[in-house]
Amino acid sequence: EIVLTQSPGTLSLSPGERATLSCRASQSISSGYFAWYQQKPGQAPRLLIYGASNRATGVPDRFSGSGSGTDFTLTITRLEPEDFAVYYCQQYDSSLLYTFGQGTKLEIK
Amino acid sequence: QVQLVESGGGLVKPGGSLRLSCAASGFTFSDYYMNWIRQAPGKGLQWFSYVSSTSAYTKYADSVKGRFTVSRDNAKNSVYLQMNNLRAEDTAVYYCARGVGRNFDYWGQGTLVTVSS
Repeated sequence: EIVLTQSPGTLSLSPGERATLSCRASQSISSGYFAWYQQKPGQAPRLLIYGASNRATGVPDRFSGSGSGTDFTLTITRLEPEDFAVYYCQQYDSSLLYTFGQGTKLEIK
Repeated sequence: QVQLVESGGGLVKPGGSLRLSCAASGFTFSDYYMNWIRQAPGKGLQWFSYVSSTSAYTKYADSVKGRFTVSRDNAKNSVYLQMNNLRAEDTAVYYCARGVGRNFDYWGQGTLVTVSS
């Protein structure tokens, strides 16, 4: 089973700053099978990025994804108050299993 | 608009059973795989099951294999999760989610399952 490790565990930033979140896989994965989600307290997760770099419908362009192989990044330029949440990465592998990272909490500094 | 609404959660004793339902609307249900994903209190997300669009294929994570069964009824636009031999570690919010590609593009609001004596 592929393990996804997200860093940092918590990121403290101010509105207007740039956020860079990392997700590292225990082995190489297909970019087409990699995604990022945002979860706010008491809410279901929301798909942000699929295929490593494609924004889902309605996602603002301040969110961008990049990476390949084992290293993937979610970047949020110019943080808005509503962006403070927990972010999860997710992958699908050849054993037909889906796994999530443990999450990065983006909090207001 | 796409809506997924879970129901059936509650308090159950260890070893007990529970059946969750997820009612879908706003899309052609029979075209999509459906997934179950759970989140233990204060923890991260864990995918554990899917059922293919025609019910031909199902898949389970090892943590629930042999105890949980996923099914669907395309005529009723619903997906189900039969959970048997429940354990304390199954306590979580259970989400159904639509699968697209290899991701989950719509999620329900979740239903809480608590396993405790």
